[in-house]
Amino acid sequence: EAGVTQFPSHSVIEKGQTVTLRCDPISGHDNLYWYRRVMGKEIKFLLHFVKESKQDESGMPNNRFLAERTGGTYSTLKVQPAELEDSGVYFCASSQEIGGFGETQYFGPGTRLLVL
Amino acid sequence: AQSVTQLGSHVSVSEGALVLLRCNYSSSVPPYLFWYVQYPNQGLQLLLKYTSAATLVKGINGFEAEFKKSETSFHLTKPSAHMSDAAEYFCAVSDLSGGYNKLIFGAGTRLAVHP
Repeated sequence: EAGVTQFPSHSVIEKGQTVTLRCDPISGHDNLYWYRRVMGKEIKFLLHFVKESKQDESGMPNNRFLAERTGGTYSTLKVQPAELEDSGVYFCASSQEIGGFGETQYFGPGTRLLVL
Repeated sequence: AQSVTQLGSHVSVSEGALVLLRCNYSSSVPPYLFWYVQYPNQGLQLLLKYTSAATLVKGINGFEAEFKKSETSFHLTKPSAHMSDAAEYFCAVSDLSGGYNKLIFGAGTRLAVHP
């Protein structure tokens, strides 16, 4: 069974440019989460999809971030325009059960974003 | 609101020595607790989790953690460190507000193992 995959693994862009990150969850997983780790800080929740619907986007920093999940499969996270403080590692995770408290989230390898 | 504190951003042990990584949590409800590990250039991998069953939880690679409600702790231990254990370790608690399972992480502890 393939794990969670993320693309690209690394991205270096200039301030003001646009970047789109992609996450492919484990097949059949309805829950998809995005997290971010800014250098030296905690990993922080950004948002949660249940199938194609945004369930919780309370962690999104501002309206420069836009997440979508097409047809309840893969998800994209677009940052437009990127700012220096957006640099960090963006993790995607997926899990199977809706409302499954304590359920394991399976993480992808992350996308390392550097904004210059 | 739930929170997690990991004491010690860096821990160094000798190969064969006991590994002890500390995690304290804050939660107004019975928590679900997790330890994840991130090896260099890899994603987060689940080591173990506590979901209100046995208080001593055994995980992969010889790690275990004990849930102590009175101390609000969930420390991770391994009796004998291997070089391959060098990684960053994250303690996390489920934030159950809103009815879904988003995770709140501690700041992480980087474990170094020296010969």
